[in-house]
Amino acid sequence: DIQMTQSPSSVSASVGDRVTITCRASEGINNWLAWYQQHPGKPPRLLMYDASRLQSGVPSRFSGWGFGTDFTLTISGLQPEDFATYYCQQAKSVPYTFGQGTRLEIK
Amino acid sequence: EVQLLESGGGVVQPGMSLRLTCEASGFTFRREAMSWVRQAPGKGLEWVSTISGSLDSTYYADSVKGRFTISRDNSKNTLFLQMNNLGVEDTAIYYCAKDARSGGLVLDYWGQGTLVTVSS
Repeated sequence: DIQMTQSPSSVSASVGDRVTITCRASEGINNWLAWYQQHPGKPPRLLMYDASRLQSGVPSRFSGWGFGTDFTLTISGLQPEDFATYYCQQAKSVPYTFGQGTRLEIK
Repeated sequence: EVQLLESGGGVVQPGMSLRLTCEASGFTFRREAMSWVRQAPGKGLEWVSTISGSLDSTYYADSVKGRFTISRDNSKNTLFLQMNNLGVEDTAIYYCAKDARSGGLVLDYWGQGTLVTVSS
């Protein structure tokens, strides 16, 4: 199975800040990576797919980068609604696996 | 508007069975792969199972293989998850999700989830 490891597990930031979350795969997954956002008590929301493609309706302050084993999600100019938990997920092979999540908190 | 509505969750004892249902609308259901993803209380996301639109392919996480069966009724736009021999480790919110494309898992629409609690 492909293991997905996110860092940090949690991060504190202020409105307007820029934050980067890292996701590392245990083996190469090309660009088969998706990012999701989840607010407490809500289902996940797709943000990015194919590592760097923005899902329709997602603000352009979200950006993704990476190929192979190392990936990042960057949020530029944090807004209050961005404080949530973020998950990466490899889409290359079964069993599909998620990272453990990164909780983005208000400083 | 795409809508996914799960039902069938509840409290059951270990070893019992439960069948989850997801009613879909707002898209051509038969064309799209569908998946179940679960989330244990306070924990992260875990992919459970995926079924292709044409019903010819199903995939399972090792943790549920042999106990859970995913199926769909394309005539009724409905997805199912039959869960047998449930254990306490299966306690979670179960989300139904639509796959954005065939090949790889990219889940672009999610239901609100249904809670399954396995407890004696």
